Amino acid sequence: EDQVTQSPEALRLQEGESSSLNCSYTVSGLRGLFWYRQDPGKGPEFLFTLYSAGEEKEKERLKATLTKKESFLHITAPKPEDSATYLCAVQGMDSNYQLIWGAGTKLIIKP
Amino acid sequence: DVKVTQSSRYLVKRTGEKVFLECVQDMDHENMFWYRQDPGLGLRLIYFSYDVKMKEKGDIPEGYSVSREKKERFSLILESASTNQTSMYLCASSLEDLWGGSGGNEQFFGPGTRLTVL
Repeated sequence: EDQVTQSPEALRLQEGESSSLNCSYTVSGLRGLFWYRQDPGKGPEFLFTLYSAGEEKEKERLKATLTKKESFLHITAPKPEDSATYLCAVQGMDSNYQLIWGAGTKLIIKP
Repeated sequence: DVKVTQSSRYLVKRTGEKVFLECVQDMDHENMFWYRQDPGLGLRLIYFSYDVKMKEKGDIPEGYSVSREKKERFSLILESASTNQTSMYLCASSLEDLWGGSGGNEQFFGPGTRLTVL
């Protein structure tokens, strides 16, 4: 069964304290892995798509990496405005457009 | 930029009312989706549509129906609203690109509609 598990559920960091969020997945052939950011009361905002192991993508203080079993979202020197819930989703090769979603990691950056 | 809009940010309805949630995307995307999001349950797919007048059930279609008469518009209908349908409803769209080579499978979301059924 396709599955996505994100850890930790919540993460509190001081401003400037770098860390990583984890997304472990089980899927029968990966078509794509997606990272989103969601602010309270708003829709998810697309960040990255990763397609194959070894791939990396960066945007400002965020860097996403992918292996055959998991993805990491690295946050370097975070700022309070990076506080949000980060969602991970995967699409398998036999998926008819559907994504399998993780429960998210709530990130809080304290000034 | 992809823009997905939803007809209301907040909606309050009474039990038994018929409720329409509208979603419009301006990027000529083939695929459109309706999700609900509840604390502790994450994003759950209600229905999706891969073409005009085409629809498929997602994981939790009971109590809902959808309509897609035009490519840019996808409506979610609660035939008889119940209190357990109180939730955040999110619409999304994506390009049709089955092989992901051009990054076409990303879903782009609207701002959400917070529906309360009393």
